[in-house]
Amino acid sequence: SQKIEQNSEALNIQEGKTATLTCNYTNYSPAYLQWYRQDPGRGPVFLLLIRENEKEKRKERLKVTFDTTLKQSLFHITASQPADSATYLCALRSYNTDKLIFGTGTRLQVFP
Amino acid sequence: GAVVSQHPSRVICKSGTSVKIECRSLDFQATTMFWYRQFPKQSLMLMATSNEGSKATYEQGVEKDKFLINHASLTLSTLTVTSAHPEDSSFYICSASRDSNPNEQYFGPGTRLTVT
Repeated sequence: SQKIEQNSEALNIQEGKTATLTCNYTNYSPAYLQWYRQDPGRGPVFLLLIRENEKEKRKERLKVTFDTTLKQSLFHITASQPADSATYLCALRSYNTDKLIFGTGTRLQVFP
Repeated sequence: GAVVSQHPSRVICKSGTSVKIECRSLDFQATTMFWYRQFPKQSLMLMATSNEGSKATYEQGVEKDKFLINHASLTLSTLTVTSAHPEDSSFYICSASRDSNPNEQYFGPGTRLTVT
């Protein structure tokens, strides 16, 4: 069956460290993968998109990698700040569809 | 920017009544909008794809007669939960994408529905 898995346990890290979140998928052939941030009681906010033929994407303190062999994407936040505390969702879109399929999200807590 | 609004942000209704939720793209036109539902600590589940001027496409397991979707213009889609029951209580979120860039979806702030 098709699955998109993110670590359901919260990730707690100290301010200034690099946070790394993982997204694994099975039985999908994604055209691209996206990462979103979601704050409590709010809709997701788009952060980054990485295509299947791209290995890495960066945006300011954010970096996303995409390994189609491992079927995994890693999301990094460098020099993390308490304001980065939120739930981060990965989502993928397969070819020939305009649907986004979301993972369950990982809650990140950055403490001072 | 690309802003999507939803109204209302919160609604409480009695069991058996119907509730309408609006989703608007404020500064762009969206041929396609999406409706999601999210239960606490769970992922967003796609309910249906709303297409302007045509019938919505519902995901498997979503009752089209219970969740009525109307996409009458390029900036407005509505979701009506008919004969709501407590199990319909959830967080409903819509999204829209620009026709020029369908790869990036912009999400509304969500509507918290509580059915008593």
